[in-house]
Amino acid sequence: IVLTQSPGTLSLSPGERATLSCRASQTVSGTNLAWYQQKPGQAPRLLLYTASNRAAGIPDRFSGSGSGTDFALTISRLEPEDFAVYYCHQYGSSPMTFGQGTRLEI
Amino acid sequence: QVQLQESGPGLVKPSQTLSLTCNVSGGSITSGSHYWSWIRQPAGKGLEWIGRIYASGNSDYNPSLKSRASVSLDRAKNQFSLMMSSVTAADTAVYYCARGHYDILIGPYYMDVWGKGATVTVSS
Repeated sequence: IVLTQSPGTLSLSPGERATLSCRASQTVSGTNLAWYQQKPGQAPRLLLYTASNRAAGIPDRFSGSGSGTDFALTISRLEPEDFAVYYCHQYGSSPMTFGQGTRLEI
Repeated sequence: QVQLQESGPGLVKPSQTLSLTCNVSGGSITSGSHYWSWIRQPAGKGLEWIGRIYASGNSDYNPSLKSRASVSLDRAKNQFSLMMSSVTAADTAVYYCARGHYDILIGPYYMDVWGKGATVTVSS
C-alpha cells in the first residue's frame, strides 16, 4: 500500500492549527494506521495508532481521524516543540509502509 | 520499561553482508504479544520497513529487498538480529529496531518502542 502525505511542507506559527493528510492507494484494513513524529537525530515517536488513539503520554492537542483510504492528523494549537517531520504508517498489510513525510516548520 | 539498542559495524564494504543486533531490555523477546522489526532511513529521506520476526520464529520481509534481508532471534541473549547480504551504497542508512504489538485475533499491530538507531555506511 502506497501512502501519500500532503503537503510536503507546512509552514505555520505557534498557536495555529495544523492539519496533515495521508492518502492510501488502497483501503487500510481495520484502520490500522499510525502517525509518528520525528525530530532531527531522533528515532520516530509514536503519536497515534488505529487512526485516532493517542499513544501513552501524547498531549490531547494531537488527534487523528479517517478510515479507508483517507486519514488526517490534526494538531489543535501548535507548540514550539511540535515543529518536526510527521509520518503516517500502515500496519494492516504486509509489507508495512510509511508515507514520505510532512515537514512542519515555523 | 522496554528499551531497545542497536549495535554493529558502522562501515560495511560493498557486496558484503551487513549485520546488526538489537538488544532488548526490560522485556522479553519471547513474548507472544509482540513482534520485532527493523526499519531503515537513508539520510534526509523517509522510513522503509525491512522485516520482522515473531516470538514463534516466523518472519516476513519487504519484497523490495529481494530476499537479501534475514531477521533472527537469540532467545538466550534476549536479542534479535538483522543480516543483509550483497550490500551496495544504496543500503547506507540509519537502521532502527522496533517493538510491535501482536494480537492473536487482529494480527500485527503498531510499533511503539524504537531504538535510537545505528548508522551504517556502505563504502570501500
